[in-house]
Amino acid sequence: QVQLQESGPGLVKPSQTLSLTCTVYGGAISSGGHYWSWIRQLPGKGLEWIGYIYYSGSTSYNPSLKSRVTMSVDTSKNQFSLKLTSVTAADTAVYYCARDGGSGSGTSYFDHWGPGTLVTVSS
Amino acid sequence: EIVLTQSPGTLSLSPGERATLSCRASQSVSSNFLAWYQQKPGQAPRLLIYGASSRATGIPDRFSGSGSGTDFTLTISRLEPEDFAVYYCQQYGTSPPGFTFGPGTKVDIK
Repeated sequence: QVQLQESGPGLVKPSQTLSLTCTVYGGAISSGGHYWSWIRQLPGKGLEWIGYIYYSGSTSYNPSLKSRVTMSVDTSKNQFSLKLTSVTAADTAVYYCARDGGSGSGTSYFDHWGPGTLVTVSS
Repeated sequence: EIVLTQSPGTLSLSPGERATLSCRASQSVSSNFLAWYQQKPGQAPRLLIYGASSRATGIPDRFSGSGSGTDFTLTISRLEPEDFAVYYCQQYGTSPPGFTFGPGTKVDIK
Protein backbone atom coordinates (compact mmCIF):
# COMPACT_ATOMS: atom_id res chain seq x y z
CA GLN A 1 0.00 0.00 0.00
CA VAL A 2 1.50 3.31 -1.06
CA GLN A 3 1.83 5.94 1.64
CA LEU A 4 3.05 9.53 1.37
CA GLN A 5 4.44 11.79 4.09
CA GLU A 6 5.13 15.51 3.89
CA SER A 7 7.92 17.13 5.87
CA GLY A 8 9.36 20.61 6.24
CA PRO A 9 9.20 23.79 8.30
CA GLY A 10 5.82 24.76 9.68
CA LEU A 11 6.69 28.44 9.81
CA VAL A 12 8.18 30.55 7.03
CA LYS A 13 8.86 34.28 7.04
CA PRO A 14 7.32 36.56 4.42
CA SER A 15 9.42 36.95 1.25
CA GLN A 16 11.32 33.73 2.01
CA THR A 17 11.12 30.34 0.28
CA LEU A 18 8.80 27.57 1.41
CA SER A 19 10.45 24.15 1.03
CA LEU A 20 8.66 20.83 1.51
CA THR A 21 9.56 17.21 0.82
CA CYS A 22 7.29 14.25 0.26
CA THR A 23 8.61 10.76 1.02
CA VAL A 24 6.88 7.87 -0.70
CA TYR A 25 6.62 4.47 0.99
CA GLY A 26 5.46 1.19 -0.49
CA GLY A 27 6.19 1.99 -4.10
CA ALA A 28 9.10 3.33 -6.11
CA ILE A 29 8.74 6.71 -7.82
CA SER A 30 11.23 5.44 -10.41
CA SER A 31 8.88 2.66 -11.53
CA GLY A 32 6.99 5.28 -13.52
CA GLY A 33 3.35 5.36 -14.53
CA HIS A 34 2.36 7.92 -11.92
CA TYR A 35 2.67 11.66 -11.57
CA TRP A 36 3.38 13.18 -8.18
CA SER A 37 1.58 16.36 -7.20
CA TRP A 38 1.49 19.08 -4.61
CA ILE A 39 -1.93 20.42 -3.64
CA ARG A 40 -2.74 23.04 -1.03
CA GLN A 41 -5.79 23.99 0.99
CA LEU A 42 -6.10 27.54 2.20
CA PRO A 43 -7.58 27.90 5.70
CA GLY A 44 -11.28 27.07 5.66
CA LYS A 45 -11.29 27.01 1.88
CA GLY A 46 -11.04 24.67 -1.06
CA LEU A 47 -8.24 22.84 -2.78
CA GLU A 48 -5.70 24.22 -5.25
CA TRP A 49 -3.40 22.08 -7.40
CA ILE A 50 0.14 23.49 -7.40
CA GLY A 51 1.89 21.21 -9.86
CA TYR A 52 3.22 17.75 -10.60
CA ILE A 53 6.46 16.00 -11.40
CA TYR A 54 7.24 12.72 -13.11
CA TYR A 55 10.13 10.45 -12.12
CA SER A 56 12.05 11.69 -15.16
CA GLY A 57 11.93 15.23 -13.81
CA SER A 58 9.27 16.45 -16.22
CA THR A 59 7.04 19.01 -14.53
CA SER A 60 3.84 20.98 -15.00
CA TYR A 61 2.72 23.85 -12.82
CA ASN A 62 -0.47 25.78 -12.19
CA PRO A 63 -0.07 29.01 -14.21
CA SER A 64 -1.25 31.05 -11.24
CA LEU A 65 1.84 29.92 -9.26
CA LYS A 66 4.25 28.99 -12.04
CA SER A 67 6.58 31.96 -11.61
CA ARG A 68 7.26 31.01 -7.98
CA VAL A 69 7.22 27.18 -8.05
CA THR A 70 9.99 24.65 -8.58
CA MET A 71 9.58 20.90 -8.10
CA SER A 72 12.30 18.28 -8.08
CA VAL A 73 12.56 14.54 -7.60
CA ASP A 74 15.18 12.34 -5.92
CA THR A 75 14.51 8.74 -6.94
CA SER A 76 17.39 7.43 -4.79
CA LYS A 77 15.55 8.64 -1.70
CA ASN A 78 12.08 8.05 -3.16
CA GLN A 79 11.21 11.68 -2.53
CA PHE A 80 9.94 14.68 -4.41
CA SER A 81 10.06 18.29 -3.31
CA LEU A 82 8.39 21.66 -3.62
CA LYS A 83 9.91 25.12 -3.45
CA LEU A 84 7.68 28.19 -3.42
CA THR A 85 9.51 31.51 -3.47
CA SER A 86 8.56 34.99 -2.25
CA VAL A 87 5.83 33.74 0.06
CA THR A 88 3.21 35.98 1.66
CA ALA A 89 0.50 35.40 4.24
CA ALA A 90 -1.74 34.33 1.34
CA ASP A 91 0.42 31.20 0.99
CA THR A 92 -0.51 30.02 4.48
CA ALA A 93 -2.18 26.66 3.90
CA VAL A 94 -2.14 22.94 4.49
CA TYR A 95 0.11 21.45 1.83
CA TYR A 96 -0.55 17.92 0.60
CA CYS A 97 1.47 15.66 -1.62
CA ALA A 98 -0.49 13.20 -3.70
CA ARG A 99 -0.14 10.48 -6.32
CA ASP A 100 -2.27 10.34 -9.42
CA GLY A 101 -4.30 7.33 -10.48
CA GLY A 102 -1.84 6.24 -13.12
CA SER A 103 -3.35 7.23 -16.45
CA GLY A 104 0.19 7.61 -17.77
CA SER A 105 -0.61 11.02 -19.20
CA GLY A 106 -0.64 13.15 -16.08
CA THR A 107 -4.34 13.77 -16.50
CA SER A 108 -5.87 11.90 -13.63
CA TYR A 109 -7.53 11.95 -10.25
CA PHE A 110 -5.56 11.61 -6.99
CA ASP A 111 -5.81 8.24 -5.30
CA HIS A 112 -3.19 8.52 -2.57
CA TRP A 113 -2.57 11.55 -0.38
CA GLY A 114 -0.20 12.43 2.43
CA PRO A 115 -1.78 13.55 5.70
CA GLY A 116 -0.84 17.17 4.97
CA THR A 117 1.35 19.71 6.70
CA LEU A 118 0.34 23.18 7.82
CA VAL A 119 2.69 25.93 6.69
CA THR A 120 2.18 29.35 8.21
CA VAL A 121 3.74 32.44 6.67
CA SER A 122 4.40 34.96 9.39
CA SER A 123 7.20 37.11 10.74
CA GLU B 1 -10.03 26.93 -17.28
CA ILE B 2 -13.06 24.89 -16.23
CA VAL B 3 -14.78 26.27 -13.11
CA LEU B 4 -16.74 23.86 -10.93
CA THR B 5 -19.74 24.92 -8.86
CA GLN B 6 -21.15 22.69 -6.12
CA SER B 7 -24.60 22.84 -4.58
CA PRO B 8 -25.90 23.07 -2.03
CA GLY B 9 -23.20 24.63 0.09
CA THR B 10 -24.48 22.78 3.14
CA LEU B 11 -26.82 19.80 3.32
CA SER B 12 -28.40 19.02 6.70
CA LEU B 13 -29.70 15.46 6.90
CA SER B 14 -30.27 12.66 9.39
CA PRO B 15 -28.56 9.27 9.42
CA GLY B 16 -30.37 6.88 7.11
CA GLU B 17 -31.47 9.62 4.72
CA ARG B 18 -30.40 9.96 1.10
CA ALA B 19 -27.95 12.68 0.12
CA THR B 20 -27.78 14.16 -3.37
CA LEU B 21 -24.86 16.48 -4.13
CA SER B 22 -24.46 18.42 -7.37
CA CYS B 23 -21.36 19.51 -9.28
CA ARG B 24 -21.72 21.71 -12.35
CA ALA B 25 -18.91 22.60 -14.74
CA SER B 26 -18.56 25.84 -16.70
CA GLN B 27 -17.88 23.78 -19.83
CA SER B 28 -18.07 20.14 -20.79
CA VAL B 29 -15.71 17.84 -18.90
CA SER B 30 -13.71 15.78 -21.33
CA SER B 31 -14.37 12.03 -21.22
CA ASN B 32 -16.30 12.47 -17.97
CA PHE B 33 -13.02 12.92 -16.14
CA LEU B 34 -14.75 13.91 -12.91
CA ALA B 35 -13.83 12.69 -9.43
CA TRP B 36 -15.40 13.03 -5.98
CA TYR B 37 -13.57 13.19 -2.66
CA GLN B 38 -14.63 13.07 0.98
CA GLN B 39 -12.77 15.13 3.57
CA LYS B 40 -13.15 14.96 7.33
CA PRO B 41 -11.70 17.58 9.71
CA GLY B 42 -7.95 17.29 10.07
CA GLN B 43 -7.68 14.66 7.33
CA ALA B 44 -6.63 14.59 3.72
CA PRO B 45 -9.27 14.16 1.03
CA ARG B 46 -10.19 10.56 0.24
CA LEU B 47 -11.01 9.48 -3.30
CA LEU B 48 -14.57 8.13 -3.62
CA ILE B 49 -15.45 8.21 -7.31
CA TYR B 50 -13.48 8.65 -10.54
CA GLY B 51 -14.54 8.71 -14.16
CA ALA B 52 -17.84 10.20 -12.93
CA SER B 53 -19.23 6.84 -11.83
CA SER B 54 -16.49 4.34 -10.88
CA ARG B 55 -16.06 3.67 -7.18
CA ALA B 56 -12.52 3.75 -5.85
CA THR B 57 -11.07 0.74 -4.06
CA GLY B 58 -12.76 0.04 -0.73
CA ILE B 59 -15.57 2.55 -1.14
CA PRO B 60 -18.97 1.24 0.04
CA ASP B 61 -21.68 0.80 -2.58
CA ARG B 62 -23.94 3.34 -0.86
CA PHE B 63 -21.79 5.92 -2.70
CA SER B 64 -22.58 6.35 -6.37
CA GLY B 65 -21.71 8.89 -9.03
CA SER B 66 -23.53 9.83 -12.19
CA GLY B 67 -23.70 12.49 -14.85
CA SER B 68 -21.91 13.65 -17.97
CA GLY B 69 -20.96 16.77 -19.84
CA THR B 70 -21.42 19.62 -17.38
CA ASP B 71 -23.71 18.11 -14.73
CA PHE B 72 -22.62 15.51 -12.22
CA THR B 73 -24.14 14.04 -9.08
CA LEU B 74 -22.83 12.19 -6.04
CA THR B 75 -25.49 10.18 -4.22
CA ILE B 76 -25.16 8.61 -0.80
CA SER B 77 -28.08 6.21 -0.59
CA ARG B 78 -28.33 5.92 3.21
CA LEU B 79 -26.20 8.19 5.34
CA GLU B 80 -24.06 6.50 7.96
CA PRO B 81 -22.66 8.49 10.92
CA GLU B 82 -19.19 8.41 9.36
CA ASP B 83 -20.45 10.03 6.12
CA PHE B 84 -20.91 13.47 7.64
CA ALA B 85 -18.07 15.40 6.02
CA VAL B 86 -17.21 17.81 3.20
CA TYR B 87 -17.37 16.52 -0.36
CA TYR B 88 -15.40 17.96 -3.27
CA CYS B 89 -15.64 17.34 -6.98
CA GLN B 90 -12.59 17.62 -9.23
CA GLN B 91 -12.25 17.63 -12.98
CA TYR B 92 -9.14 16.32 -14.67
CA GLY B 93 -10.26 16.37 -18.28
CA THR B 94 -8.01 19.10 -19.57
CA SER B 95 -4.31 19.70 -19.55
CA PRO B 96 -3.00 21.68 -16.58
CA PRO B 97 -4.33 23.73 -14.96
CA GLY B 98 -7.12 21.28 -15.58
CA PHE B 99 -6.96 19.86 -12.08
CA THR B 100 -9.63 22.13 -10.68
CA PHE B 101 -11.73 21.45 -7.61
CA GLY B 102 -15.17 22.60 -6.65
CA PRO B 103 -15.70 24.65 -3.48
CA GLY B 104 -17.23 21.71 -1.62
CA THR B 105 -20.54 20.66 -0.07
CA LYS B 106 -20.73 20.09 3.66
CA VAL B 107 -23.03 17.30 4.77
CA ASP B 108 -23.89 17.81 8.41
CA ILE B 109 -26.18 16.18 10.92
CA LYS B 110 -29.67 17.64 11.13
